[in-house]
Amino acid sequence: DVKVTQSSRYLVKRTGEKVFLECVQDMDHENMFWYRQDPGLGLRLIYFSYDVKMKEKGDIPEGYSVSREKKERFSLILESASTNQTSMYLCASRVRQGAHEQFFGPGTRLTVL
Amino acid sequence: GENVEQHPSTLSVQEGDSAVIKCTYSDSASNYFPWYKQELGKRPQLIIDIRSNVGEKKDQRIAVTLNKTAKHFSLHITETQPEDSAVYFCAASKGNTDKLIFGTGTRLQVFP
Repeated sequence: DVKVTQSSRYLVKRTGEKVFLECVQDMDHENMFWYRQDPGLGLRLIYFSYDVKMKEKGDIPEGYSVSREKKERFSLILESASTNQTSMYLCASRVRQGAHEQFFGPGTRLTVL
Repeated sequence: GENVEQHPSTLSVQEGDSAVIKCTYSDSASNYFPWYKQELGKRPQLIIDIRSNVGEKKDQRIAVTLNKTAKHFSLHITETQPEDSAVYFCAASKGNTDKLIFGTGTRLQVFP
């Protein structure tokens, strides 16, 4: 059974703070993804990684960066948090390219004050 | 780039009725179309998917149809039950990028 976990369910930060969101998967999946989910906008891809040390920009990468030093862990970094980054952040993993099904984590609801 | 539009944004049905959610996509090269279900407070989960070489796929009470000419695909739920209440997301991707582009979601409510 695939398990994708995220470091926090709820997080409150102040404007300008550096924020780290962590995602871990335990099924040796090659691909990992970060999305943000906002009402009326669906899920939008921020960054993704096909394998360790690799990263690709998604559709809304501005204001974010990522790190994938180990295969099981994919971190999303907000260098200087802003109020418009208040959102639900979802991590997902996939066995490999072409496998299609993505397995999601429970999400982190981030509030930036 | 690819754009996926989803309608309606909300849908209310009586238990036992059918529900249909429709999506259109813009990139004719898209070849994979999944549907995810997200129950309240839970993570999205894949419920059914279809590839472009197939026109229809069915799994018990849910089915997906694809019209490549018109570039639209639909989710059909028959004999709806209260546990079908959730937000449903359609998505599209194409082989060379393999990224999923999601629709904006449909909140389905099934009333007993």
